[in-house]
Amino acid sequence: GESVGLHLPTLSVQEGDNSIINCAYSNSASDYFIWYKQESGKGPQFIIDIRSNMDKRQGQRVTVLLNKTVKHLSLQIAATQPGDSAVYFCAGGSSGGSYIPTFGRGTSLIVHP
Amino acid sequence: DAGITQSPRHKVTETGTPVTLRCHQTENHRYMYWYRQDPGHGLRLIHYSYGVKDTDKGEVSDGYSVSRSKTEDFLLTLESATSSQTSVYFCATNPRDRGTGIHQPQHFGDGTRLSIL
Repeated sequence: GESVGLHLPTLSVQEGDNSIINCAYSNSASDYFIWYKQESGKGPQFIIDIRSNMDKRQGQRVTVLLNKTVKHLSLQIAATQPGDSAVYFCAGGSSGGSYIPTFGRGTSLIVHP
Repeated sequence: DAGITQSPRHKVTETGTPVTLRCHQTENHRYMYWYRQDPGHGLRLIHYSYGVKDTDKGEVSDGYSVSRSKTEDFLLTLESATSSQTSVYFCATNPRDRGTGIHQPQHFGDGTRLSIL
């Protein structure tokens, strides 16, 4: 089955730096990828998504890059702020039929003022 | 968001007791999911539902059952709780694009922290 994982359990950055969080997936059939942010005591919140017909998608201060050749995606956060401190998950799955995504274990982003 | 409410938010109970967690949504989403979240693991799917009375197992379904008698409610039951079921449980729904039917990002509740002593 699908496995989705993040490369680093913790990432520490200084306020104002750019952050890059990585994720790898195993199932070539996955065509829909999502990044979530989870703050302590809360459920995951949607940040940005990308479908397999795209390589890059930008949101407000966030960019997701998808490299289907090596089955890798990344989340870039520009000008990281203390409020960005949270756990970030990637999820991958097939968008057709019953949607059953697989989630990575998460990277804890720590932003130092 | 989908207006997902999970209840209770916290529960402490003893091994061997039955436990039911409730997920209520207000957006009429067809798909609903129960996950557990444990340190060192990503969210793991317990059961999901693709409509009223239509449910299926996930990767960690042993010891759990679900019911969905109404679109808005999805119940997760631990028939006889064990300490290994101590976890944080999340409910999610999954909207679909009205025009294409393509799945959109899941929406999550804020979780139920369950401790089994």
